[in-house]
Amino acid sequence: ETGVTQTPRHLVMGMTNKKSLKCEQHLGHNAMYWYKQSAKKPLELMFVYNFKEQTENNSVPSRFSPECPNSSHLFLHLHTLQPEDSALYLCASSQDVLGRTSGRWYNEQFFGPGTRLTVL
Amino acid sequence: AQSVTQLGSHVSVSEGALVLLRCNYSSSVPPYLFWYVQYPNQGLQLLLKYTSAATLVKGINGFEAEFKKSETSFHLTKPSAHMSDAAEYFCAVSDLTGTYKYIFGTGTRLKVLA
Repeated sequence: ETGVTQTPRHLVMGMTNKKSLKCEQHLGHNAMYWYKQSAKKPLELMFVYNFKEQTENNSVPSRFSPECPNSSHLFLHLHTLQPEDSALYLCASSQDVLGRTSGRWYNEQFFGPGTRLTVL
Repeated sequence: AQSVTQLGSHVSVSEGALVLLRCNYSSSVPPYLFWYVQYPNQGLQLLLKYTSAATLVKGINGFEAEFKKSETSFHLTKPSAHMSDAAEYFCAVSDLTGTYKYIFGTGTRLKVLA
């Protein structure tokens, strides 16, 4: 496997179910992200992990619970979701890069294919 | 605060015609800028990036973008559209506060007509 992989690719769940989304990156990156992509809305950053530590929680409801056991794996645990949580959930990873001209650090994010989640 | 605006949520071009997708940014310091493409049921793929080097940036699949500081723009172009270019395109600016965030535009869906 190369790049960023996500499983499952599709998930249908009821509002009382508990499920987990998995993301794995094979790029040796130090940071990982969860994004939510809903129809007709901008990409929403949910969580950021850097060296396994959560550095960003973008006011995400507690029914979404992230877990990052190591720099290569990221999970999103789901419980008692609502129909409006139906969306494409994207995982990304990145490594800091020093700009040769600017001398400033930036990161280039690599995305997985996403998990299409439907909540009934 | 930084922001990105993509003008036109839908753009249609004929096959072989010029593709122009617009992106304007707001940033108090020279930004890092990115264009991503998303094909149906797939994740985002990096097309090209501007990191303060050459202002004309060439990317994959024949796309290029020019950073114009005076116009605060980073428009994406391709001289000749191909049917396979039909996708959604996102412009993004990298947050400069060290929080690893990207600020994405709302996306432009490109349709290529035969």
